[in-house]
Amino acid sequence: EVQLVQSGAEVKKSGESLRISCKASGYSFTNYWIAWVRQMPGKGLEWMGIIYPGDSDTRYSPSFQGHVTISADKSINTAFLQWTTLNVSDTAMYYCARRTVITPGWFDPWGLGTLVTVSS
Amino acid sequence: SYVLTQPPSVSVAPGKTANITCGGNNIGSKSVHWYQQKPGQAPILVIYYDSDRPSGIPERFSGSNSGNTATLTISRVDAGDEADYCCQVWDNNGDHPVFGGGTKLTVL
Repeated sequence: EVQLVQSGAEVKKSGESLRISCKASGYSFTNYWIAWVRQMPGKGLEWMGIIYPGDSDTRYSPSFQGHVTISADKSINTAFLQWTTLNVSDTAMYYCARRTVITPGWFDPWGLGTLVTVSS
Repeated sequence: SYVLTQPPSVSVAPGKTANITCGGNNIGSKSVHWYQQKPGQAPILVIYYDSDRPSGIPERFSGSNSGNTATLTISRVDAGDEADYCCQVWDNNGDHPVFGGGTKLTVL
């Protein structure tokens, strides 16, 4: 079974750093793009960026470029989303999702999400 | 950048048909995918390639796409279909996915 298991909820303060993870299983991790998607409270889905673990090719949404870093570790089948400086406005649910091999494609499955809460 | 427009909400009585639209410039030339997100849960794919259903998705879910509007149709709606529904395409360069704002389906 293809699964994406995300790390647990985080509570941080403004200015702190954070890395959350998305561990893949049930398929060849290096052959599929993994996307990160933000959902702010009560709002819709926003694409943040995407990584191809096979060669770490990474693309960012202009809205998130420079504020987050997406990476992957092939040895442990895990993708990461990282902040060096969190803002209160980063409070949101963050999902990882696998893009189909067929391009441009759709996203399936999705992880259950990691809730990030940032206080001042 | 490419923009997808969805109505914020749609209401339908049980047993009736719900139509959820997704508008975009010449969206009929793109492949549209639909996700269902129930409260407190992650999104799941319900329609891909405009009208195909993943395994496990009931036949009551169908899709169409033409001109400037794609439509997700849910027939014989029941309370379990209450959720947010979001459409997705790729931008004109095929580099970035674009999500619609989502539509909350309420079963009366």
